Amino acid sequence: KQEVTQIPAALSVPEGENLVLNCSFTDSAIYNLQWFRQDPGKGLTSLLLIQSSQREQTSGRLNASLDKSSGRSTLYIAASQPGDSATYLCAPETGGSYIPTFGRGTSLIVHP
Amino acid sequence: KAGVTQTPRYLIKTRGQQVTLSCSPISGHRSVSWYQQTPGQGLQFLFEYFSETQRNKGNFPGRFSGRQFSNSRSEMNVSTLELGDSALYLCASSLARERDEQYFGPGTRLTVT
Repeated sequence: KQEVTQIPAALSVPEGENLVLNCSFTDSAIYNLQWFRQDPGKGLTSLLLIQSSQREQTSGRLNASLDKSSGRSTLYIAASQPGDSATYLCAPETGGSYIPTFGRGTSLIVHP
Repeated sequence: KAGVTQTPRYLIKTRGQQVTLSCSPISGHRSVSWYQQTPGQGLQFLFEYFSETQRNKGNFPGRFSGRQFSNSRSEMNVSTLELGDSALYLCASSLARERDEQYFGPGTRLTVT
């Protein structure tokens, strides 16, 4: 059974800092891994999708890397802004089942 | 292009009742997945429908069921509601599911009293 751990669970930083959010998973046989953000009480917004054959994906100030063999993915946020405040979730999709397993997320607060 | 829509957005039900939630996927998307999110368990997969067929099912009791229509719209039903069913129910759509990006709706907040 896939287990996903996200570290840190919470993060509070001043505006402008570069951030690293970590996601580790136990079953490396994944098809892809998706990063989402969730604002309080709202649905999820897709940020980046990394296929199993890829090492990283970039979108604006966001960069996600994937190391399947070690069961790790990292989301890098450059020059953080108050609007980045949200919970960030990673979800690897295990091969064969097409069912994503979600971590508990990293709750991020960026102070002005 | 319109996003994923879910109705209703908020719902209050009494223990023992049943409830039906609706999800309209992005136009052209054939896969719809349902998730339950609670503070205690986090986000958990309920089931996935593709072309009107349930393709995957999570570890939930039979009180949770769903279906998908020919226009890809999906409904999920929860019978004999329990207090523990109080949660945010999210649906997500994707083109074909395998290796595809999922797009989530805003969710339905269900409160069982």
